[in-house]
Amino acid sequence: GDKVKQSPSALSLQEGTNSALRCNFSIAATTVQWFLQNPRGSLINLFYLVPGTKENGRLKSAFDSKESYSTLHIRDAQLEDSGTYFCAAEDYNQGKLIFGQGTKLSIKP
Amino acid sequence: DAGVTQTPRHEVAEKGQTIILKCEPVSGHNDLFWYRQTKIQGLELLSYFRSKSLMEDGGAFKDRFKAEMLNSSFSTLKIQPTEPKDSAVYLCASSLGDGQLYFGEGSKLTVL
Repeated sequence: GDKVKQSPSALSLQEGTNSALRCNFSIAATTVQWFLQNPRGSLINLFYLVPGTKENGRLKSAFDSKESYSTLHIRDAQLEDSGTYFCAAEDYNQGKLIFGQGTKLSIKP
Repeated sequence: DAGVTQTPRHEVAEKGQTIILKCEPVSGHNDLFWYRQTKIQGLELLSYFRSKSLMEDGGAFKDRFKAEMLNSSFSTLKIQPTEPKDSAVYLCASSLGDGQLYFGEGSKLTVL
C-alpha cells in the first residue's frame, strides 16, 4: 500500500474559504516537507518540519510523528493557491524521502 | 539568489535517440537529486549525489539512465537510447544537506 497517503486527492474551494489537506504515513517518518507544484511545474517548498507546527502567512502545517500524520491548513484561500500539493516524508528505516500522490486544489472566484 | 536551473524546458526525441538534460543546483548546495514525474507513478528518485559522489543510482533506472556531476555546480542526466515510456517530466532538486529540497522547473520529455 501507499507509504505516504494524501487526502483528498482533489479539492475545489471558493476564494476566501479555509481548507485542510492531510498526509498519513505507514512508515517511521522523521521529517515532513510540503510542496506546491505551480502551473509552470516547479515544486515550491512550503514547509520543512520535524514533529511540531509551523506557520507562514495563511499557511500552517503540523506534523505528529507518534500518530503518523501531517496536515496543511490554508486560510482565506486565494486564486494563486491553486495547484497540486505534495507531502514528502523521510523514512527513518530507509533514509529516503517518499512522496505522496498529491492533492489537486482548485480555487474558484 | 538563483534557484535550481534546468535546461531544456521541453525536449522532443525520436525513439532510440540520446538526450541529455542539464541541471545547475543552488549555489553552495551539496546534495543533488534527479526525479522523474509521471501521472501514474508520481515522483520517482533516479539519482542522488552528495558532494559530487553518487549515493543512489535509482535501481530500476540503471540500464539506460546515467546521471553525472561534472562539478559541484552542474549535473547531467543522459537517457540512451530513449523509449516512448520515458516520456515524463524530469525534475532536479538540490539541498544544503539537511534534507530540505529546492526544485527546478523541470524538463518535459516527449519520446515519439
